[in-house]
Amino acid sequence: EAQVTQNPRYLITVTGKKLTVTCSQNMNHEYMSWYRQDPGLGLRQIYYSMNVEVTDKGDVPEGYKVSRKEKRNFPLILESPSPNQTSLYFCASSSPIDGYEQYFGPGTRLTVT
Amino acid sequence: GIQVEQSPPDLILQEGANSTLRCNFSDSVNNLQWFHQNPWGQLINLFYIPSGTKQNGRLSATTVATERYSLLYISSSQTTDSGVYFCAVDDYKLSFGAGTTVTVRA
Repeated sequence: EAQVTQNPRYLITVTGKKLTVTCSQNMNHEYMSWYRQDPGLGLRQIYYSMNVEVTDKGDVPEGYKVSRKEKRNFPLILESPSPNQTSLYFCASSSPIDGYEQYFGPGTRLTVT
Repeated sequence: GIQVEQSPPDLILQEGANSTLRCNFSDSVNNLQWFHQNPWGQLINLFYIPSGTKQNGRLSATTVATERYSLLYISSSQTTDSGVYFCAVDDYKLSFGAGTTVTVRA
């Protein structure tokens, strides 16, 4: 089954404790992205990757890091989480072959206290 | 970036009613998708529709790219249709509208 998976689905952590949210896709997609969703602000792109070892900033990259060492994986790293990073996070993947139709993971609900 | 406007912001329906949601966008796009976010927060792909008309069960969508709008039709609505409907445009960097919150009452 074609899918995008994220882990963990729920996470409660404390300020400053480094964390990683994993994202994996099995569709051999070149493009992968991270979005965050906040009430009143909608979904905004954090980072995206056009292929292995190629990443770039989206609209709200501050406080986040990403890496793309393998085509299928695109982890999101919060080196020192802060309460303003409490949000619902989505990973997505797409391919120009499919006209960039984006497939989203199930979401990760992060709370930073 | 491309601006995406959705209307109406909120919609309350009686079960069985039909409705139309609208998405306007400010520039030509290569990609337009409709999503349904269910009460558990999951984003479900409804349609990939940069132009033309598609139907999937009780849902259908039409995009008129030259006039920069798309419509999502819900027919014979059911309580499971409740949630937020998003329109999103562009290619690898999706720009989302603010969504239409649909509540279907039994």
